[in-house]
Amino acid sequence: EAGVAQSPRYKIIEKRQSVAFWCNPISGHATLYWYQQILGQGPKLLIQFQNNGVVDDSQLPKDRFSAERLKGVDSTLKIQPAKLEDSAVYLCASSRRTSGGSGELFFGEGSRLTVL
Amino acid sequence: LAKTTQPISMDSYEGQEVNITCSHNNIATNDYITWYQQFPSQGPRFIIQGYKTKVTNEVASLFIPADRKSSTLSLPRVSLSDTAVYYCLVGPWNSGNTPLVFGKGTRLSVIA
Repeated sequence: EAGVAQSPRYKIIEKRQSVAFWCNPISGHATLYWYQQILGQGPKLLIQFQNNGVVDDSQLPKDRFSAERLKGVDSTLKIQPAKLEDSAVYLCASSRRTSGGSGELFFGEGSRLTVL
Repeated sequence: LAKTTQPISMDSYEGQEVNITCSHNNIATNDYITWYQQFPSQGPRFIIQGYKTKVTNEVASLFIPADRKSSTLSLPRVSLSDTAVYYCLVGPWNSGNTPLVFGKGTRLSVIA
């Protein structure tokens, strides 16, 4: 089965510019996660979707970050305007995590953002 | 959400057994304990999951005492390729309605 797809793999932008990341989860996975991982730290949950609905976005800086999940499948994460401290790897993960399904998270390769 | 606490780092020689303990004092009745492994420049990867007592797979063993307030990931006879960061997560296994939060993890360095 195909894994979680993310793009772009790398992005370099100037501060105050905007950027968007795309994630295509594993087919049939109801739950989708966006994590931010700064070098040397654990992944920080930005937003979690179950199907089309948002489960948690308490750590998402809503003044600059936005995310949506289109028709309960693909998702995009946008940053506008970017700050230097947004330099990180943005990881997308998906899981079944519904009744009777496996709770295992499957991660994509991540999108590495560098803000200059 | 049950918070987890792990040692920041551990060192081990090749061939030794490594035990990484995770503390989760306020684990809920329906929470499972799951461990992930992360290599540099990769996303975390599932290792093992358990609810109580002992679980073993081809990669590791997971020991969970009766009170479930802690758990221990055991890696038998580690090799250099086991050098990675290991994360302990606690949460409902089959519910996508609960956020899954990673802690700081334990950085394991295996030395030849």
